[in-house]
Amino acid sequence: QKEVEQNSGPLSVPEGAIASLNCTYSDRGSQSFFWYRQYSGKSPELIMSIYSNGDKEDGRFTAQLNKASQYVSLLIRDSQPSDSATYLCVNNDYKLSFGAGTTVTVRA
Amino acid sequence: GAVVSQHPSRVICKSGTSVKIECRSLDFQATTMFWYRQFPKKSLMLMATSNEGSKATYEQGVEKDKFLINHASLTLSTLTVTSAHPEDSSFYICSAGTGGGYEQYFGPGTRLTVT
Repeated sequence: QKEVEQNSGPLSVPEGAIASLNCTYSDRGSQSFFWYRQYSGKSPELIMSIYSNGDKEDGRFTAQLNKASQYVSLLIRDSQPSDSATYLCVNNDYKLSFGAGTTVTVRA
Repeated sequence: GAVVSQHPSRVICKSGTSVKIECRSLDFQATTMFWYRQFPKKSLMLMATSNEGSKATYEQGVEKDKFLINHASLTLSTLTVTSAHPEDSSFYICSAGTGGGYEQYFGPGTRLTVT
């Protein structure tokens, strides 16, 4: 399994701010990544897939992939209290390997 | 699209009994389904990979005789926890892929409590 390391968190941001989450990976062969969101006591939910270098935007979420620097990030714009959850960065592979993720708390 | 259901959502059973959890892909056919377990405040841990019509592949440390997995159709996989003990109490979650890529879509999970 290809591992990624989430190197930000826990993260507390005020409502309306930008939450920035980052991951680094060591396997240069990694091509694409998923971002999952998991609310406390719930199962994970796929929120973004990113397959190519650059930015991918979906509503208030922007995923960024930089293969040269081997990092993946997720930006949450205009953060809302409902965004408070654990965010999991996962390498696109047959078997997904989930780490501890980054817990985000949005303060009202 | 890509909806996965699980049943039951919660179950309480006595030590020594068996519990069956069902996982269904509702709007797609899932060649592969995955079973995970998550203890409180811990990471999601893969237990086994289930392919339709064949035996499940278990992760290291997961007892295949205790956690029986059956993937009888392209929309249904079941996990049976046999002779459950209190240490088996956990949140069991299944996932399925649509086959177009490696994205996994998760069911809502089953919270098992063994008394």
